[in-house]
Amino acid sequence: TQLLEQSPQFLSIQEGENLTVYCNSSSVFSSLQWYRQEPGEGPVLLVTVVTGGEVKKLKRLTFQFGDARKDSSLHITAAQPGDTGLYLCAGAGHSSASKIIFGSGTRLSIRP
Amino acid sequence: KAGVTQTPRYLIKTRGQQVTLSCSPISGHRSVSWYQQTPGQGLQFLFEYFSETQRNKGNFPGRFSGRQFSNSRSEMNVSTLELGDSALYLCASSSTPPAGGITDTQYFGPGTRLTVL
Repeated sequence: TQLLEQSPQFLSIQEGENLTVYCNSSSVFSSLQWYRQEPGEGPVLLVTVVTGGEVKKLKRLTFQFGDARKDSSLHITAAQPGDTGLYLCAGAGHSSASKIIFGSGTRLSIRP
Repeated sequence: KAGVTQTPRYLIKTRGQQVTLSCSPISGHRSVSWYQQTPGQGLQFLFEYFSETQRNKGNFPGRFSGRQFSNSRSEMNVSTLELGDSALYLCASSSTPPAGGITDTQYFGPGTRLTVL
């Protein structure tokens, strides 16, 4: 069974600080996505990474896919209160029969 | 383009009852996936439909079922509700099936919050 573990589960930091969220698995994924979910809403896709070692940047957010495609990280520079939310990673296998597996999520709170 | 819509947004039922939730995908999207989100288990995949066919199914009991219509709208049904079925049920649509390597973006609806008393 494929599992995606996210850490930390909860993170509360001061505005302006940096942070990193991790998404780890013992399984290989063909691609991995990061989502952000706000209360009362569905998850919104932030990025998709497909190549081992790939790094993508979205303003102050940097996403990295591990070389072996088993793990990923999300780094936020100079966090803002608007970054507050639930961050979810999701991985998919290689075949059309693969299911998308979601991580347990990291609940991030940025204090002004 | 209108986003994914889910109805109803909130629902309260009692144990033993059944419930039907509805999802209208983004126009032109033919794939609809359903997920259950709870604080303890996170987001778990229920099933995925593409062109009216169930292509993939998660590890949920047979009380959970779904279907997709020719206009790509989808419904999921939960029979004999249990307290543990209380959750946020999310629907996501994409233009192609999301599995087998995510190449197409899944767009999520706001969810239906089901409370079972």
